[in-house]
Amino acid sequence: DTEVTQTPKHLVMGMTNKKSLKCEQHMGHRAMYWYKQKAKKPPELMFVYSYEKLSINESVPSRFSPECPNSSLLNLHLHALQPEDSALYLCASSPGTGGSQPQHFGDGTRLSIL
Amino acid sequence: QKEVEQNSGPLSVPEGAIASLNCTYSDRGSQSFFWYRQYSGKSPELIMFIYSNGDKEDGRFTAQLNKASQYVSLLIRDSQPSDSATYLCAVDSNYQLIWGAGTKLIIKP
Repeated sequence: DTEVTQTPKHLVMGMTNKKSLKCEQHMGHRAMYWYKQKAKKPPELMFVYSYEKLSINESVPSRFSPECPNSSLLNLHLHALQPEDSALYLCASSPGTGGSQPQHFGDGTRLSIL
Repeated sequence: QKEVEQNSGPLSVPEGAIASLNCTYSDRGSQSFFWYRQYSGKSPELIMFIYSNGDKEDGRFTAQLNKASQYVSLLIRDSQPSDSATYLCAVDSNYQLIWGAGTKLIIKP
């Protein structure tokens, strides 16, 4: 069983919709991440939160808006997405940031944009 | 631009044999190295990490690190059909993880 929980598992939305992806971890980790993964490609980093503060934003379009309400929760708010945004969205957590800590992934949300 | 390179495969290995997966990296300052397994349609699963030169063993898996040559490898002993997956190498560089494109491994019964 994964210790990083993502909801929903699947999401289909139109280009004008607003939706949110949710992620929760109970490992006491202080860093949380959002990744986007397209088929047959490695994960692509979007955002990093360290101690509930946004520390890295990899030039992600503003139609993606992250939020970290507390150290266990991470949200990704979606608005006016494009068909090319269809992908697997992965949340991960690690004890700390810096790249030296192993990251643990949730099961992901499969997002399809109509 | 820091890079991590893996042979995309597919690498086909008979059941029961040793599968050897390799990864090279460009940042000489990298200190942490990770191997993830990803089944089709699933999320990456951490299977090994290594920080020091040499070998690290965990069950059927052995990670090998050679910082002088800038490569890290993953050996899977007694390969099983359930080991068939894509194996992603990730290396820390400048406070982030740099990912290889992954090697697809097929274990043939």
